[in-house]
Amino acid sequence: AQSVSQHNHHVILSEAASLELGCNYSYGGTVNLFWYVQYPGQHLQLLLKYFSGDPLVKGIKGFEAEFIKSKFSFNLRKPSVQWSDTAEYFCAVINTNAGKSTFGDGTTLTVKP
Amino acid sequence: ETGVTQTPRHLVMGMTNKKSLKCEQHLGHNAMYWYKQSAKKPLELMFVYNFKEQTENNSVPSRFSPECPNSSHLFLHLHTLQPEDSALYLCASSQRRNTEAFFGQGTRLTVV
Repeated sequence: AQSVSQHNHHVILSEAASLELGCNYSYGGTVNLFWYVQYPGQHLQLLLKYFSGDPLVKGIKGFEAEFIKSKFSFNLRKPSVQWSDTAEYFCAVINTNAGKSTFGDGTTLTVKP
Repeated sequence: ETGVTQTPRHLVMGMTNKKSLKCEQHLGHNAMYWYKQSAKKPLELMFVYNFKEQTENNSVPSRFSPECPNSSHLFLHLHTLQPEDSALYLCASSQRRNTEAFFGQGTRLTVV
């Protein structure tokens, strides 16, 4: 069965620290990849996406992610986090053949001012 | 404003009640979805509609019944629910089946 694994359930960082959140998926075919963010009290919203082309994609608010096909990974990065980045982050994968989407468990990021 | 509006935002219902959740999108999207978000569990895809046709039902119990009368509206009819059905129910839409989803704020459902 298709699955998405986010390695860290809760990450605590100080402002200006660098961030990397891991995401691995299990499907071997063609995929579309996403990171979504849910700020406290707000709806889930798209942070960035990868469909094809340059495996390094840039999203909103200085986030980026790199697709490494050989590792089935799509890790999220930000060089310097801010207190306002405190949120829950979800990795999602769509198997483009079946159109089936799967979300990871989510990672809660807490940034201390 | 997300472009996807869900009502009500909160709902408390008894196990013998019948209620409906409503979702409306003004984005011109062709696909709509119901997800269930429970504490300490990943987001679970329940139903998918593409061009008003149901294309996916992920083994959801029949006490949950979706309806998609047109491409802008999606309903989730609830009857004889169980306390373990208490969760946040999210509606989403996307331009096409494999593209990014736009989520509503969700309906926080409590079954007593």
